[in-house]
Amino acid sequence: RKEVEQDPGPFNVPEGATVAFNCTYSNSASQSFFWYRQDCRKEPKLLMSVYSSGNEDGRFTAQLNRASQYISLLIRDSKLSDSATYLCVVNPGVEYGNKLVFGAGTILRVKS
Amino acid sequence: NAGVTQTPKFRVLKTGQSMTLLCAQDMNHEYMYWYRQDPGMGLRLIHYSVGEGTTAKGEVPDGYNVSRLKKQNFLLGLESAAPSQTSVYFCASSPTRGTYNEQFFGPGTRLTVL
Repeated sequence: RKEVEQDPGPFNVPEGATVAFNCTYSNSASQSFFWYRQDCRKEPKLLMSVYSSGNEDGRFTAQLNRASQYISLLIRDSKLSDSATYLCVVNPGVEYGNKLVFGAGTILRVKS
Repeated sequence: NAGVTQTPKFRVLKTGQSMTLLCAQDMNHEYMYWYRQDPGMGLRLIHYSVGEGTTAKGEVPDGYNVSRLKKQNFLLGLESAAPSQTSVYFCASSPTRGTYNEQFFGPGTRLTVL
C-alpha cells in the first residue's frame, strides 16, 4: 500500500464549478500535511498547509480528518488557471526524519 | 533572488556514462533534497542534506551519490547511468526541517538514459 494515495483523475470540470479532492495516508502518526500544486512540466509549489482545525485561503479549503486518515481540498468557483496537478503531501514526523512523502497527484482540468 | 536553480535543464546520456546535476540556492537554507519524479508516481526522495558537509540516504538512493561541500550547493552524481534512471530530477531546499516548513523546488532536470 502506498503511504499517500490519491485519485489520479483527471477531473474535468467547467469554469465556476466546485471540485473536491481526497487523499488518504497510511501512517497514523503523521504530523503535518500539505497540498502542493504542480503545473505541466514545472516544479511543485506549496498551495497550502493543512491544519487539524481546517483552513481556508480564498477559494481553497483544506480539511484534515486524523481519525480516518484523510485530507481533502475543495476548490470553489474553478478558474481555467486552476488546471494543474494537485499533490497531497504528508510529513510522517521527526522519527522518520521529517522527510516529506508525496502522493502521485490528482489532475484537474478546468474547461470554458 | 533566484531561489533554487538546477543545471542542466535537459540531458541525454548513454548507458554507463556518468554525470553530475548541480543544485544551487541563494536563500541560505540549511536543508536540501534531491527527488526523482516518474509518471504515475509521486516524488521520491533520493538523498538529502541537513547542512553543509552532511548527506543522508532517502527512499531510492541506489545508483546515486551526493555531496554538499558548500551550504548553497547540492550535487547529485550518477556514476554509471542506467535506463531506469530516466526521470525528471527536482532539487528542493527548506530553511529548517521543521514539520510545517515549506520546501522550495528548482525547475527540474529532464534526464534520458538510452
